[in-house]
Amino acid sequence: DAGVTQSPTHLIKTRGQHVTLRCSPISGHKSVSWYQQVLGQGPQFIFQYYEKEERGRGNFPDRFSARQFPNYSSELNVNALLLGDSALYLCASSLEGTGATGELFFGEGSRLTVL
Amino acid sequence: QQQVKQSPQSLIVQKGGISIINCAYENTAFDYFPWYQQFPGKGPALLIAIRPDVSEKKEGRFTISFNKSAKQFSLHIMDSQPGDSATYFCAASRQGATNKLIFGTGTLLAVQP
Repeated sequence: DAGVTQSPTHLIKTRGQHVTLRCSPISGHKSVSWYQQVLGQGPQFIFQYYEKEERGRGNFPDRFSARQFPNYSSELNVNALLLGDSALYLCASSLEGTGATGELFFGEGSRLTVL
Repeated sequence: QQQVKQSPQSLIVQKGGISIINCAYENTAFDYFPWYQQFPGKGPALLIAIRPDVSEKKEGRFTISFNKSAKQFSLHIMDSQPGDSATYFCAASRQGATNKLIFGTGTLLAVQP
């Protein structure tokens, strides 16, 4: 069975541009969460979506937005890119919205470099 | 109150030795404490997790010890192997928001053969 898949794996953008990152959860998983991992640090929670509704938002500016589609895949959008947005963006899926099983399954991430 | 503090930042252990990584938290609402393992170029993978109703959980060579009164928990890797060399993250979350994990800063473990 396929795990969490993310695309693109690597991308380079310049300041001020916009980026869209995509995530497909594990089949049967209805919840998708997004995390930002800056080099040398632990992942930081950005968003959680469950059944196409936002269930949680971390401490990130409004330049960050996301959505979840009827097939449970998700997009993370970042506008007006800053150098500090350079990071590994991780998508994680889980069976339920509250993560009652307790396990998040992470993808391998999208490495964003902002020049 | 949202922080999870992790130490040490890096750790070198000889093959067959015990690796110990410690974490401390402040928010008493946290009730789920997982450990994740991350290899270079990969996403984090759940290693083992514990809830505060038990003081210890063991899975194979990996053990979590949990001290609720001290608000601390630790990961012990017994018989450490070179294949265990990775970055380890502790994390915490509260009931009803277990997808919103608060991660520690990570420990880079190197197991020397």
